[in-house]
Amino acid sequence: DTGVSQDPRHKITKRGQNVTFRCDPISEHNRLYWYRQTLGQGPEFLTYFQNEAQLEKSRLLSDRFSAERPKGSFSTLEIQRTEQGDSAMYLCASTLMTVSYEQYFGPGTRLTVT
Amino acid sequence: AQKVTQAQTEISVVEKEDVTLDCVYETRDTTYYLFWYKQPPSGELVFLIRRNSFDEQNEISGRYSWNFQKSTSSFNFTITASQVVDSAVYFCALRPNSGGSNYKLTFGKGTLLTVNP
Repeated sequence: DTGVSQDPRHKITKRGQNVTFRCDPISEHNRLYWYRQTLGQGPEFLTYFQNEAQLEKSRLLSDRFSAERPKGSFSTLEIQRTEQGDSAMYLCASTLMTVSYEQYFGPGTRLTVT
Repeated sequence: AQKVTQAQTEISVVEKEDVTLDCVYETRDTTYYLFWYKQPPSGELVFLIRRNSFDEQNEISGRYSWNFQKSTSSFNFTITASQVVDSAVYFCALRPNSGGSNYKLTFGKGTLLTVNP
């Protein structure tokens, strides 16, 4: 059973460009979470999906951010008009709705905006 | 609102020393889960333990042990006979367990543990 995968692992972009990250959850996991981690901080919740439905978005998710999970499988997180403040590690986690709701994390995508 | 506080920003020890990482949490939920994750330099969060708020028994797994005290809202993590490979950032996290919750994790800021040979 493969774990959560994320692509790319690293992304360097210039301010103002758009970027898109992909997350492939563990097969059959119906919940998918996105978190953002800045230097020296713990991960912070951004948004989550149950199957293909996006059920909650954090106030951290400005209108330049959009996430999708078509057909309830992989998910994409797009940032438009990137700013230097968007530089962070973007983590994806998935879980199967069982009693424990254990979240399994991917390796993350490290974004650097220059 | 939920909050997790890890007061120790950095800890440095010499190999074979015991080390305890502190975690204090705040929540209004009556049921919840507590977690510890390890984040090595590679960046991936590695799950270490989950503890249900109903279960206050301490747990030991090899060189790792956890002390959960609901009365003081603490969930401390001890590494016995530390090794260089234990060097990482360790995060404590909290998650509600009530019906209808989004089950998102609230993390502390982490403690950077450096084990020197």
